[in-house]
Amino acid sequence: DTGVSQNPRHKITKRGQNVTFRCDPISEHNRLYWYRQTLGQGPEFLTYFQNEAQLEKSRLLSDRFSAERPKGSFSTLEIQRTEQGDSAMYLCASSLGGALGETQYFGPGTRLLVL
Amino acid sequence: LAKTTQPISMDSYEGQEVNITCSHNNIATNDYITWYQQFPSQGPRFIIQGYKTKVTNEVASLFIPADRKSSTLSLPRVSLSDTAVYYCLVGWGQAGTALIFGKGTTLSVSS
Repeated sequence: DTGVSQNPRHKITKRGQNVTFRCDPISEHNRLYWYRQTLGQGPEFLTYFQNEAQLEKSRLLSDRFSAERPKGSFSTLEIQRTEQGDSAMYLCASSLGGALGETQYFGPGTRLLVL
Repeated sequence: LAKTTQPISMDSYEGQEVNITCSHNNIATNDYITWYQQFPSQGPRFIIQGYKTKVTNEVASLFIPADRKSSTLSLPRVSLSDTAVYYCLVGWGQAGTALIFGKGTTLSVSS
């Protein structure tokens, strides 16, 4: 257990529905990352927060995806109008920024299946 | 971020030492080298990180030659529970940089 928690752990939804995932980082960590991982591939970066500011977004993050970190603590990732191609593991990681070589600690992930 | 190349898969037996080599020819001066381990249906788990020479912790050693164009993760006396995917990453020349994962090395340990 790294101290990063994600909920729910599994989500099954029908195409076209909206889903929201939550990530609770390690409490003192100011940086939070979202990644997506499909079967047989390594995780792919989606977006990154420093405190409450969203500083970087991948081109993978289409307009249907939105992420927030309202008070610089937990974060949510929402997918609107889900598509079957959104089926994947969604991973959250956190780190304590400010130094080179900072380590990102990952949560257990939320597995999404879109039917 | 520097691209890394590592073997797709490796096989070993319990009790053996396993060395996984990663090449990163374009590593930048400020880049660190980090290895993660991932079990099925779990998030990646940090194993070890280094900048140069040798780093050792309770689970692994990381060997980095002087030119830093490659690195070797050494797992002593592996067990069945070490069967996992191992990712080599370089980066963090700038703090807050997202990680770029390749496909990793799938290590299979047999009895």
